[in-house]
Amino acid sequence: DTGVSQNPRHKITKRGQNVTFRCDPISEHNRLYWYRQTLGQGPEFLTYFQNEAQLEKSRLLSDRFSAERPKGSFSTLEIQRTEQGDSAMYLCASSLEREWDTQYFGPGTRLTVL
Amino acid sequence: AQSVTQLDSQVPVFEEAPVELRCNYSSSVSVYLFWYVQYPNQGLQLLLKYLSGSTLVESINGFEAEFNKSQTSFHLRKPSVHISDTAEYFCAVSQVKAAGNKLTFGGGTRVLVKP
Repeated sequence: DTGVSQNPRHKITKRGQNVTFRCDPISEHNRLYWYRQTLGQGPEFLTYFQNEAQLEKSRLLSDRFSAERPKGSFSTLEIQRTEQGDSAMYLCASSLEREWDTQYFGPGTRLTVL
Repeated sequence: AQSVTQLDSQVPVFEEAPVELRCNYSSSVSVYLFWYVQYPNQGLQLLLKYLSGSTLVESINGFEAEFNKSQTSFHLRKPSVHISDTAEYFCAVSQVKAAGNKLTFGGGTRVLVKP
């Protein structure tokens, strides 16, 4: 068990560019969550997957955001036409459905939009 | 919808002194309650949780939290802190019977333990 991993750890981009982040959950965890954390705030829920199905999306997830989990393993979060307000830490978490009460978090990807 | 308020953004405390981190929540439905901890340069980790039963729950490293339904609170306490408890602590809730069990977090309390 190597834990939840996220890549890249840091991303600096210019406004208007597209970025993609990857999350590798703990092996066999069928639930995967994305959260966003801005400076001085707690994490906010963005979306979650059960296996490959995206079952819930937050209002925070505008049309510029898209998330996928094509084979029910790793997940990607893409932000198109980035804006300065997208600057944040993007956190991924995973859990087993039968152990739903414990989410395991990755170290996060810090996005800076210039 | 639910919300979580952590009243203190920072709590400085001396080593071996007690600490209490306050957490209040608002929800129209029943919730489960959690405390997560984030040590410097690490990811969030579950510290303890209340799902049902005894309203006092404990962690393996000496923290405890008490669910108070009438006051909609879930304050976290430790009678004697160590330098290693320096971290940011997040209170969170999850709706009972909601699919997915997404977490709603408070803004966090940064604890700095001084020698």
